[in-house]
Formats: sequence, C-alpha cells, structure tokens
Amino acid sequence: NAGVTQTPKFRVLKTGQSMTLLCAQDMNHEYMYWYRQDPGMGLRLIHYSVGEGTTAKGEVPDGYNVSRLKKQNFLLGLESAAPSQTSVYFCASSQGRTIGSPLHFGNGTRLTVT
Amino acid sequence: DQQVKQNSPSLSVQEGRISILNCDYTNSMFDYFLWYKKYPAEGPTFLISISSIKDKNEDGRFTVFLNKSAKHLSLHIVPSQPGDSAVYFCAARNFGNEKLTFGTGTRLTIIP
Repeated sequence: NAGVTQTPKFRVLKTGQSMTLLCAQDMNHEYMYWYRQDPGMGLRLIHYSVGEGTTAKGEVPDGYNVSRLKKQNFLLGLESAAPSQTSVYFCASSQGRTIGSPLHFGNGTRLTVT
Repeated sequence: DQQVKQNSPSLSVQEGRISILNCDYTNSMFDYFLWYKKYPAEGPTFLISISSIKDKNEDGRFTVFLNKSAKHLSLHIVPSQPGDSAVYFCAARNFGNEKLTFGTGTRLTIIP
C-alpha cells in the first residue's frame, strides 16, 4: 500500500521552463491537494480537488495549473517557472468532509528554479 | 494574514520530560484542529485531532487541549522520547470547508 506517491523527488529548472508534478494515491480518496512549504511560511494551499474532473484555487494559485482527469491522480503544472516558485511541494489526499478524515501526504518534491 | 500561528519556531526538551507545543488561531469559524508531525525529507503525518465540541483529546503519550475562548490549542507529549524530534504543525479547518490552514511549525528537539 503506497499511499500518496509524488514524482519526481527533485528537479532543477531554469526560469521560464515548464514542468508537471505528478501525484498518485491508491486509497480511493475523493479529495486531493497541492501545498507548498517555504521556510517560515508553513504549508500553503495552492490548488485542490474535491473529485475527479474538479479543481479549485487555494491560497497561492498564481503561476500554477492543475488537472484531475482520474480520481487517483492530481497533476500540478508550472507553465513558466520563476525563482519565487523554488519550494518543496507536497501533495495530499483525504476521504473528504467527514470529521476525522485527516490529510495523507506524499514525501514531497523539492523544486529549484534558477 | 496568518490565521493559525505557532509563535515558537523551536523548542528543546530533555528526554522523559513533558513537551508542550502551542498554537493560536484568529478565525472563530474554525471548528476542527489537527496536529501533524514532519521528519526531514518526508511528508507531514497526522498525529492527533480535536473537534471544537471537546476541550481535550488523548492518544497514548499525546494529548491535545483546546481553549476556544482564548482561541488556543496545545499539544502535550509525555514522556518525550528522542523519536519525537521533528517539526510539528498545527492546522485548522471549518467543517464543510475542504481547506486546511496550517501554522508555520515548531521544531522540537528532544535532548537525550
């Protein structure tokens, strides 16, 4: 049982390049999330999805796009990377609104934009 | 505007003693609170939670206390063990709202 798997684990991009981060979960969870973690800022929500085919903006959505074509996958795209997007990105999933359904996180993707 | 605040970036505690991590929030609509633990190079893992209808929840060595009037929660770990050394995040959610708001984290170091 892998839980939440993120690929790649590390990536270095030049300014202006694009990339897609992949998140896959095998727990049949309805909800999926993308967070970024920066020093002194905690975890901030970028985008989230409450089901297949749905997406919504979080706190810091600018510069990112997402897609949830399959229930088990949630993709985070950077169309034109900027140094401000250097961060550690975490994907998470949960069963949904039921009280007591915490988020399950992947191990993160460390992205550096030069 | 930081709605969930952890004002202590770091905390050191002797092994066997009690660790107390604190969290304050400003949004009175929050009604569910969670603590997560994070080791380096890993994702956060869920530790314990509490609903706003309670003021205390225990799970083994971990107890979370909620003071709604003060908008304050705390995590007590007793006795503290070396494996408890990690970054601890508190998080809050409105029931029915899919988003969790996280604090900035407290790095706990247990001194053997």
